[in-house]
Amino acid sequence: GENVEQHPSTLSVQEGDSAVIKCTYSDSASNYFPWYKQELGKRPQLIIDIRSNVGEKKDQRIAVTLNKTAKHFSLHITETQPEDSAVYFCAASRWGKIIFGKGTRLHILP
Amino acid sequence: GAGVSQSPSNKVTEKGKDVELRCDPISGHTALYWYRQSLGQGLEFLIYFQGNSAPDKSGLPSDRFSAERTGGSVSTLTIQRTQQEDSAVYLCASSLEGGAHFNTEAFFGQGTRLTVV
Repeated sequence: GENVEQHPSTLSVQEGDSAVIKCTYSDSASNYFPWYKQELGKRPQLIIDIRSNVGEKKDQRIAVTLNKTAKHFSLHITETQPEDSAVYFCAASRWGKIIFGKGTRLHILP
Repeated sequence: GAGVSQSPSNKVTEKGKDVELRCDPISGHTALYWYRQSLGQGLEFLIYFQGNSAPDKSGLPSDRFSAERTGGSVSTLTIQRTQQEDSAVYLCASSLEGGAHFNTEAFFGQGTRLTVV
């Protein structure tokens, strides 16, 4: 079955700097890659997603890139703000089944 | 409209007892997922329902766990003979369509926090 690896598990960046989270997946047939943000005590919420026919997608300060050949995708957050502090999960999906990475706890330092 | 609703929000049970967790998906969503999140951990896949297809049960950790989805809507996750290691937050999610060629956003419920004492 699908396996999603996510790195790093914890990331601290200075406010205003950029943050990058990287994921790899094992099933080459996976075709949908969502990213979720989970704030403390809250439910995960989708922040951006990308499909396998697209290499890059951007939405304001966040962007995702996908390298299908390497089975690798990344989340980039620019100009980080205090409200970006949360746990971020990458995921890969095939036939609708969504498998998540173990998450990255992002700390934004003042 | 209403989002994904889970009940109860919190459940404390004694070791060895059975528990049932309920999920009401968003109306019209054909795909429904159960995940388990232990304290500070990731989202562990348990089971996935898609329309009338047979569910993907590959994530259920033992035969003490089972789930059903009646009428393509409400789902219940049952844990028999609960153990302390079953303590976690159980999250349900639903999406509009989960087929091979069309994946859409999965919306999560607020979760059920299960504590086995």
